[in-house]
Formats: sequence, C-alpha cells, structure tokens
Amino acid sequence: DTAVSQTPKYLVTQMGNDKSIKCEQNLGHDTMYWYKQDSKKFLKIMFSYNNKELIINETVPNRFSPKSPDKAHLNLHINSLELGDSAVYFCASSQELLAGLSGPFFGPGTRLTVL
Amino acid sequence: TQLLEQSPQFLSIQEGENLTVYCNSSSVFSSLQWYRQEPGEGPVLLVTVVTGGEVKKLKRLTFQFGDARKDSSLHITAAQPGDTGLYLCAGYNQGGKLIFGQGTELSVKP
Repeated sequence: DTAVSQTPKYLVTQMGNDKSIKCEQNLGHDTMYWYKQDSKKFLKIMFSYNNKELIINETVPNRFSPKSPDKAHLNLHINSLELGDSAVYFCASSQELLAGLSGPFFGPGTRLTVL
Repeated sequence: TQLLEQSPQFLSIQEGENLTVYCNSSSVFSSLQWYRQEPGEGPVLLVTVVTGGEVKKLKRLTFQFGDARKDSSLHITAAQPGDTGLYLCAGYNQGGKLIFGQGTELSVKP
C-alpha cells in the first residue's frame, strides 16, 4: 500500500535514554515533516525536509535531531529523553514544500512515553 | 503570530443531532483545511477551502470559508457514531508552516 509508515508504533523508555523513530514514505513526495501532538491533542510542526535538505526547524531542543538519508526517509533521533518529551510524534509527507490543496499525508504516529 | 482558535474544544451529542465547529483567526489565510483524526491514527485531510465565502459539501459535512478568509466552520448534519473523532482546522502561516487549531473532540453517542 502507498502510505507513510512509522516505526515503532509505541515506545516506552526511561528518562535519559536515547531513542529513534523511523519514517518512510512511498508516495514519491519531495517533502517530509515531523509533527508533535501533545496530551491536549495540539499538533505542532517540528521539522521539514525538502529533498533531504532541512527547510523548517522550529524551536525544538537540539536533543532532537532529524536525519534524512534519502528523499523517502526521515528519521527522528532523540537524545537524553525527558518526561516532557512524552507525546505522539507524526511523520508526514507532501509533494511540495507548501502542500497546498492536498495537504500533507500523515503517518499513523508513534506514541512515546518517557518514564 | 497567526493563530487558529477552534470551538468548542469538546462536543458530546446524540446520534441524529446537528453540530457546528468553528475555526477563527485574527489573520487572513490564503486557504484553510479541515482534518479528521481517529484514535491511534494520523490526521486525514477532509477538505481545503480557498475562496472567501466558499462552501463545500462532503456528504453530511458542510465546510464554509469566511468572506474575509479569517474563519471557517464545519457543520455536520444528522451526526452518526462514525463521525466520532478529533476535528482539526489548519492553515499555512506567512512563514510557510502549516499551523493547526487546538482541535474539537467530537463524540456521537448511539
């Protein structure tokens, strides 16, 4: 199926650990994103990559480091996890930087719980 | 800072009732989008409204873009339990970032 996929779906870890979330899209899109959805369901962009180049970098702690090995993948690595990092992280992709009428396609999300 | 404010934040109704969700801003947006998110899944785009005053219909859902392109509404007629979910409005700010409203959690009880 054509889609945006993320692994893992659930991630439970201890404070201070380092973890990664992987994302892949087979839609042939040029732009990929990471969004964070907090406990109040507020969705906010973290990063945007276009053709492997970082375009948008919101005010995110530099413990968060995205990596795009190719156009179809955008992984998120998080160092020294903190309690406040607990959230659902969504990967998304779009054909263009401004997704316009079609909007970005979102993955199913990764629920990160930091204990 | 361009912000989108949605209301109500929570809505619990009986099957068959009508409802309206509002998305307001003090800023002009070139377009606004509505998404629906089900538990455990990512948001799915329902519609994009582009022209001030535009009305779009998607079965029992009616979307309207305000004349001044600062607000939008989503009206659901004869709500069904399958309409249950989180409804999000979103728009591109001047920096090219897609920003979202806080969302409206709708629960439709049989």
